[in-house]
Amino acid sequence: NAGVMQNPRHLVRRRGQEARLRCSPMKGHSHVYWYRQLPEEGLKFMVYLQKENIIDESGMPKERFSAEFPKEGPSILRIQQVVRGDSAAYFCASSPTATNTGELFFGEGSRLTVL
Amino acid sequence: DQQVKQNSPSLSVQEGRISILNCDYTNSMFDYFLWYKKYPAEGPTFLISISSIKDKNEDGRFTVFLNKSAKHLSLHIVPSQPGDSAVYFCAAISRAWGMDSNYQLIWGAGTKLIIKP
Repeated sequence: NAGVMQNPRHLVRRRGQEARLRCSPMKGHSHVYWYRQLPEEGLKFMVYLQKENIIDESGMPKERFSAEFPKEGPSILRIQQVVRGDSAAYFCASSPTATNTGELFFGEGSRLTVL
Repeated sequence: DQQVKQNSPSLSVQEGRISILNCDYTNSMFDYFLWYKKYPAEGPTFLISISSIKDKNEDGRFTVFLNKSAKHLSLHIVPSQPGDSAVYFCAAISRAWGMDSNYQLIWGAGTKLIIKP
């Protein structure tokens, strides 16, 4: 009865390196959402994916950031050439269907620190 | 441009008393509001929600009040318990946008609630 699983929980990268964050949704959930939380701020929507499809990436920076949710395996949020401003907590959430109530199941987050 | 504001970064309440967390919003298109609770090093968990057609929703010790004319909602916890110590986020969506947008929760910055024994 696992919930949303994210790894790594903590990731440290130097400027210019790549960061890969993984998210396995709850069993039976095919809708995945990525949110980012900067220090002292609320969560900000980044991207919404279903299996093999990006539904909405309007919250994701146009450059360096990409996301995927392959047919097999976890969803991956990829940040290329990281900068200090990318340091944040990245939360993944899932739902069984396209939610119309905003009730999402969140993982514990991946905390990225860019040195 | 914060559409959802939680103006109190923290709140300290005695155990057994009532905790009142406040949230203001600016976008009149929001028609569904949620409260999430977050413990340190964990993800947010859904707590309670309210539709704009209601002014109150109650679930056990938790009650959410909505004042549409003031664009204000509040979460009441009574009686407060030590396990309630957490960060509480207010979030809003506009279901009028259509189902495709209903995952784009707009979040406040959170209020850290501390329950004193």
